[in-house]
Amino acid sequence: KAGVTQTPRYLIKTRGQQVTLSCSPISGHRSVSWYQQTPGQGLQFLFEYFSETQRNKGNFPGRFSGRQFSNSRSEMNVSTLELGDSALYLCASSLADGATNEKLFFGSGTQLSVL
Amino acid sequence: GDSVTQMEGPVTLSEEAFLTINCTYTATGYPSLFWYVQYPGEGLQLLLKATKADDKGSNKGFEATYRKETTSFHLEKGSVQVSDSAVYFCALNSGSARQLTFGSGTQLTVLP
Repeated sequence: KAGVTQTPRYLIKTRGQQVTLSCSPISGHRSVSWYQQTPGQGLQFLFEYFSETQRNKGNFPGRFSGRQFSNSRSEMNVSTLELGDSALYLCASSLADGATNEKLFFGSGTQLSVL
Repeated sequence: GDSVTQMEGPVTLSEEAFLTINCTYTATGYPSLFWYVQYPGEGLQLLLKATKADDKGSNKGFEATYRKETTSFHLEKGSVQVSDSAVYFCALNSGSARQLTFGSGTQLTVLP
């Protein structure tokens, strides 16, 4: 079974540009969550999508947005990039079946560098 | 709000040494607690979890016990290997099952 796939693996952008990152969850998984990882702030929750609806959102500005498609694939978008947006963006998928032993499966991430 | 405080690294040990990485938390309600591991160039992998007080999570020789009275979830391993070199993250969820609050991570290097 294929794992969580994130594309692209690396991305270089300049300030003011916008960027779109993609995440394909494990087949059958209905929930996709996004996290930002930086050396200074560590791992921070961005948002979660389930059945094409945003269910939870972390404390990030409106420049960060996302969406989920009917096949559960998800994209996140960052507009008007700032230097501080440079980070590893991780996507995680889960069955979201309500089981108490629910587990998150993480992708390898997209490393975004803003110059 | 919820928070996780983790022992600062980096930690360097010799092979077969005993490992402890401290983790304490602050949360409302009764969170589930997790340890995740991140190998170089990879995403996070769940190492172990505990869902209620006094539960012990274990996997690959690693163990951690959910201590409600001390709000702690320390990671231990009796004999580390070079292949255990990675970054270890303590985390909790107390609301949505898929919204985790992470500690800052502890870099572990095991020397042969």
